[in-house]
Amino acid sequence: AQKITQTQPGMFVQEKEAVTLDCTYDTSDPSYGLFWYKQPSSGEMIFLIYQGSYDQQNATEGRYSLNFQKARKSANLVISASQLGDSAMYFCAIKETSYDKVIFGPGTSLSVIP
Amino acid sequence: ETGVTQSPTHLIKTRGQQVTLRCSSQSGHNTVSWYQQALGQGPQFIFQYYREEENGRGNFPPRFSGLQFPNYSSELNVNALELDDSALYLCASSLGTYGQAPISYEQYFGPGTRLTVT
Repeated sequence: AQKITQTQPGMFVQEKEAVTLDCTYDTSDPSYGLFWYKQPSSGEMIFLIYQGSYDQQNATEGRYSLNFQKARKSANLVISASQLGDSAMYFCAIKETSYDKVIFGPGTSLSVIP
Repeated sequence: ETGVTQSPTHLIKTRGQQVTLRCSSQSGHNTVSWYQQALGQGPQFIFQYYREEENGRGNFPPRFSGLQFPNYSSELNVNALELDDSALYLCASSLGTYGQAPISYEQYFGPGTRLTVT
């Protein structure tokens, strides 16, 4: 089974609107961390937000928030007030305590329309 | 900018050749992870170095090898290059917290090295 599933290969959003990027994960490890990264066309991978499996509250970082539903194994990224500069690939990733590596999903391409 | 640097930026090699990619980690970080990102895909974990020792490996053949130096910088070596090795190679530095809950486990990525094998 895939560790990280991102079912939306491509998404479009109007500038200033909110958008939700989906991520589901598969793990039997009780302790893990979930991450979202942004990768613009230039190639660098930019860390956006982190959610620990034991965190009681959903993580937020500025315009980014993570909708964490542990029972559903879902960790969707919400971007509020989209900007043109948000156009990029977005990757969800997981790090399990049992394994010393971060596993990335296939990514979602987000295009922000003026 | 993250403070993680990689060299070279771009590289073109011929099938069968060998290549060495370099990564300087962010100050204070003791762990470097290497990833291969083929066009249109997510990064795939190659291996990780923690305090100069290999600390986990993904599903890559032995011709992919690495080193970490006392200053925690790292090299990725690929022997007998194949066409499928063409990809963006990313390194990421972090402060290792192994065997513990991954509290704010943040990896900071370098800009990547784009390798083309012809």
